[in-house]
Amino acid sequence: KAGVTQTPRYLIKTRGQQVTLSCSPISGHRSVSWYQQTPGQGLQFLFEYFSETQRNKGNFPGRFSGRQFSNSRSEMNVSTLELGDSALYLCASSGRGQGGRETQYFGPGTRLLVL
Amino acid sequence: GESVGLHLPTLSVQEGDNSIINCAYSNSASDYFIWYKQESGKGPQFIIDIRSNMDKRQGQRVTVLLNKTVKHLSLQIAATQPGDSAVYFCAEGYDYKLSFGAGTTVTVRA
Repeated sequence: KAGVTQTPRYLIKTRGQQVTLSCSPISGHRSVSWYQQTPGQGLQFLFEYFSETQRNKGNFPGRFSGRQFSNSRSEMNVSTLELGDSALYLCASSGRGQGGRETQYFGPGTRLLVL
Repeated sequence: GESVGLHLPTLSVQEGDNSIINCAYSNSASDYFIWYKQESGKGPQFIIDIRSNMDKRQGQRVTVLLNKTVKHLSLQIAATQPGDSAVYFCAEGYDYKLSFGAGTTVTVRA
């Protein structure tokens, strides 16, 4: 079974631009979570989607948004990029719909650099 | 807010020795705990998990111990190998999200 895939793997943007990242979960998984990883803050939870609905959200500004499609694929969008948004963005999927109470499997991440 | 933390940011281990990585958590409502391993340039890789109604779980060369009384989690790796060199994260699960600790960088000496 294929793992979680994320595209693109690397991205360079400038301040003020917006970016959309994509995540395809493991086949059959309906829950998708997004995390931001930086050297200073570690792994921070952004939001989680299940059956196209956002179930939980972390403490990030409204510039960070996401959505999930009927095939469970998910996208996250960051508008008005800031230098501090440079990070590795990780997507994780899980199967049984119990969210944080079940194993989440991570993709390789998208490395975003904001100049 | 609630957070999960690791006691040591780095750990150096002789190849063949056993490794113990510790983690303290603060959310008493967390009912699920996971250990992940992250190698450079990759996403976190699942190692082992444990539910709050257990205090020990074993996998292949790994054992996770949970002490709810003192809110402590540990990962034991038996016969550490060079391929075990990575950053190890503990995570606690609650309310549809995982909260991660800062990570412990494990370096295996030949």
